[in-house]
Amino acid sequence: RKEVEQDPGPFNVPEGATVAFNCTYSNSASQSFFWYRQDCRKEPKLLMSVYSSGNEDGRFTAQLNRASQYISLLIRDSKLSDSATYLCVVNIGSNYQLIWGAGTKLIIKP
Amino acid sequence: EPEVTQTPSHQVTQMGQEVILRCVPISNHLYFYWYRQILGQKVEFLVSFYNNEISEKSEIFDDQFSVERPDGSNFTLKIRSTKLEDSAMYFCASRGTGGNSYEQYFGPGTRLTVT
Repeated sequence: RKEVEQDPGPFNVPEGATVAFNCTYSNSASQSFFWYRQDCRKEPKLLMSVYSSGNEDGRFTAQLNRASQYISLLIRDSKLSDSATYLCVVNIGSNYQLIWGAGTKLIIKP
Repeated sequence: EPEVTQTPSHQVTQMGQEVILRCVPISNHLYFYWYRQILGQKVEFLVSFYNNEISEKSEIFDDQFSVERPDGSNFTLKIRSTKLEDSAMYFCASRGTGGNSYEQYFGPGTRLTVT
C-alpha cells in the first residue's frame, strides 16, 4: 500500500468551478499534513498546512480526518492560475521528513 | 521574503563523475533536507541534517551520497560516482523552529542530467 495516495487526475475543470482533492495516508503516526502545489518543472511550493480543526485561506479550504487518515483540499471559484499539480504531503519521523503523494494534476479551462 | 537558493540550476555530467549540488538555506533555519524528483515521478526524501550531522536518511541515500555544511550558510549534496539513474531534480529544503516550524521551504532545484 502506498504511503500517501492521491487520484492522479488530470482534473479538467472550467474556470469558476469548485474542485476537490482527496488524499489518504497509511502511517497513523503521521504528525503534520500539507498541501503543496507544483508547477511544471518547478519546485513544490507550500500551499497550506492542514490542521485537525480544518483551515481556510481565501478560496482554499483544507480538512483533516485523523480517524480515517484522510486529507482534503477544496478550491472554490477556480482560476486559470490554479492549474498545477497538487501534492498531498505528510510529515513523519522525529526529523519530520516529508512523504509525498504522486500529485493530482489540475487543468483549469477558460 | 527570505528564500532557499540552489546552484547550479542545471548540471550535466558524465556517468562516474562526482557532482556537488549547493544550497543556501534560509538564514535562521536549523533543519535541512534534500529531496529528489525523477522526471514524471513523485518527490522522494533523501536525507535530513541537523546540528551538523545527518539525522535521518532514506534507502536511496547510499554510500555514493554525502552531505556537508562546510560553513554557516551552505549546505551541499555530493554524489561521488554518478549513475544514469541519478538523473533527477534535486531539491533542498529548510525549516526553522517555533511558530510554523513543521513547514519546509524549498529551493528552485538543480536539474542533474547524467549521460
